[in-house]
Amino acid sequence: GIQVEQSPPDLILQEGANSTLRCNFSDSVNNLQWFHQNPWGQLINLFYIPSGTKQNGRLSATTVATERYSLLYISSSQTTDSGVYFCAVEYETTDSWGKFQFGAGTQVVVTP
Amino acid sequence: DGGITQSPKYLFRKEGQNVTLSCEQNLNHDAMYWYRQDPGQGLRLIYYSQIVNDFQKGDIAEGYSVSREKKESFPLTVTSAQKNPTAFYLCASSILAGGAYYEQYFGPGTRLTVT
Repeated sequence: GIQVEQSPPDLILQEGANSTLRCNFSDSVNNLQWFHQNPWGQLINLFYIPSGTKQNGRLSATTVATERYSLLYISSSQTTDSGVYFCAVEYETTDSWGKFQFGAGTQVVVTP
Repeated sequence: DGGITQSPKYLFRKEGQNVTLSCEQNLNHDAMYWYRQDPGQGLRLIYYSQIVNDFQKGDIAEGYSVSREKKESFPLTVTSAQKNPTAFYLCASSILAGGAYYEQYFGPGTRLTVT
């Protein structure tokens, strides 16, 4: 199956700092999403971004599908940004389609 | 409000018992998914269903079973054959349009503890 690798695995930031999270995938994909998992376990949709660049407030994301990676930018980080960030890709094989593969996540801690 | 509901939030069972986790969505989404998350880990796909009365195994289907009799419902049964059932279970749905799946949306999850 497809491999999805996220880096770094852990990130500690001081409030106000900027950061970049990376997601690499091993094969062509139909879709890519970024999620934030809060301390209660809920996954919040951040971006649906199979290609191109999107921005939402202090967060932005870029996917370069031809080079098989996506980046999530967090600017002016706040303590509420703490949690785990996942990327997930939707892909198909010769005998299945519509499956999503998740990366292992990046654990972000923002300190006051 | 449209969304995905999972119940219960916490579930405790004795080893050897089957248990069914509920997942309902009113988003009119075509596809539904079940994932398992272990502490400090990512999400692993258990089963998914693209249409009613059809479903496919994911990467870790052994010891689990599902049904999809209605578009809005996709219950997951954790059977006694599942060796390590204690985990956080997440249900998701997505809409199919133009031959591709759009965004996945997640329910709040069920934490299952088996002792």
